[in-house]
Amino acid sequence: SQQGEEDPQALSIQEGENATMNCSYKTSINNLQWYRQNSGRGLVHLILIRSNEREKHSGRLRVTLDTSKKSSSLLITASRAADTASYFCATDGSGGSNYKLTFGKGTLLTVNP
Amino acid sequence: DSGVTQTPKHLITATGQRVTLRCSPRSGDLSVYWYQQSLDQGLQFLIQYYNGEERAKGNILERFSAQQFPDLHSELNLSSLELGDSALYFCASSETDRTTNYGYTFGSGTRLTVV
Repeated sequence: SQQGEEDPQALSIQEGENATMNCSYKTSINNLQWYRQNSGRGLVHLILIRSNEREKHSGRLRVTLDTSKKSSSLLITASRAADTASYFCATDGSGGSNYKLTFGKGTLLTVNP
Repeated sequence: DSGVTQTPKHLITATGQRVTLRCSPRSGDLSVYWYQQSLDQGLQFLIQYYNGEERAKGNILERFSAQQFPDLHSELNLSSLELGDSALYFCASSETDRTTNYGYTFGSGTRLTVV
């Protein structure tokens, strides 16, 4: 079963614009991560934000986390055609010894040149 | 190249058959995770091994089994295959049995087609 739900399911923008994707989850987490997947390829880890953090930056990526609303957002600034991919949020549940990541269904981002 | 090696990249087989997917984790990683990705179900966690021992189990069918060997490579065995088993199967690895700042490292996957 999916823990995270990304929104929107698909997003199409022009090169240079910013892209924002949202993720909502259901249970308590240790951390939340974002991954990128180019069509038919493996997932690539982008950024991890811990449950006690509210915002994190990495290059053109900005991630926010609101644990009270159980939601996160990924902002990609000044998008490029090469950013075209599916983006997934994944949660690492808190408690117990089960640290597997649970993925959402992803947002398909298309950046038009 | 992520450092996680999956073989074969593509596999086409008939219903009822059995196949073995292989994964070599990134050097130094002790945990291996198997995921199934299909259009309708998304990424589903199947099973996790840590240093040779099963650590967590997800929605893995009884027809599926896995193991991690002393050299840390892992194999996922799928038997009595059905059309619905057609999917991308990913292996991922991590340093420990929990995520660190670096998350999981994924392989490029094995695309299984059951005909």
